Amino acid sequence: QVQLQESGPGLLKPSETLSLTCTVSGDSISPYYWSCIRQPPGKGLEWIGYIYYSGITNYNPSLKSRITMSVDTSKNQFSLKLSSVTAADTAVYYCARHYGSGRFDTFNIWGQGTMVTVSS
Amino acid sequence: DIQMTQSPSSLSASVGDRVTITCRSSQSVSNYLNWYQQKPGRAPKLLIFAASTLQSGVPSRFSGSGSGADFTLTISSLQPEDFATYYCQQSSSTPYTFGQGTKLEI
Repeated sequence: QVQLQESGPGLLKPSETLSLTCTVSGDSISPYYWSCIRQPPGKGLEWIGYIYYSGITNYNPSLKSRITMSVDTSKNQFSLKLSSVTAADTAVYYCARHYGSGRFDTFNIWGQGTMVTVSS
Repeated sequence: DIQMTQSPSSLSASVGDRVTITCRSSQSVSNYLNWYQQKPGRAPKLLIFAASTLQSGVPSRFSGSGSGADFTLTISSLQPEDFATYYCQQSSSTPYTFGQGTKLEI
């Protein structure tokens, strides 16, 4: 079955860039949309952005100035870069696959998540 | 952004109880509304999409209803494995947004 595996830095210092890679196994990265979602400790879920296998992106405006998402179909991976991190970016970061038609869009497959801590 | 508000934020219940969780959006999302279940230390799991359609493999004791701006998730007879946190999420427009969660406790 389809599995997503996040790999991240674990610990970052303020002002550094978070780099997260999501590796897809069990299926091709195309023709799906893929999202990154985060969850600060003890808090709710925040959608960060999505990328289509073709490279089309859509970012949350609250983070848009700091985000870059990319896709590597040859490696069946997609990636997130979040620049100028602060303690407020401390969270579990999830990768998720979209499924649905039009606006009937869901996150139906999730990775296990990776904890990223920003601390000096 | 469309704001999603769930109530209650937490709920105490017992095995066998019928429980209802409410989700309200700040503007109409039609029926572009999904529900997720999250257990501690785990990723969320899709339960219901399009407001009322049960995801494959989800027990029939879960049901969803509503349209426009008011939605409910109902669990007809709570089982021990249902104690978790539940989130609604709108897919009507980006940025996709989630409710703050409802923690269902024994």
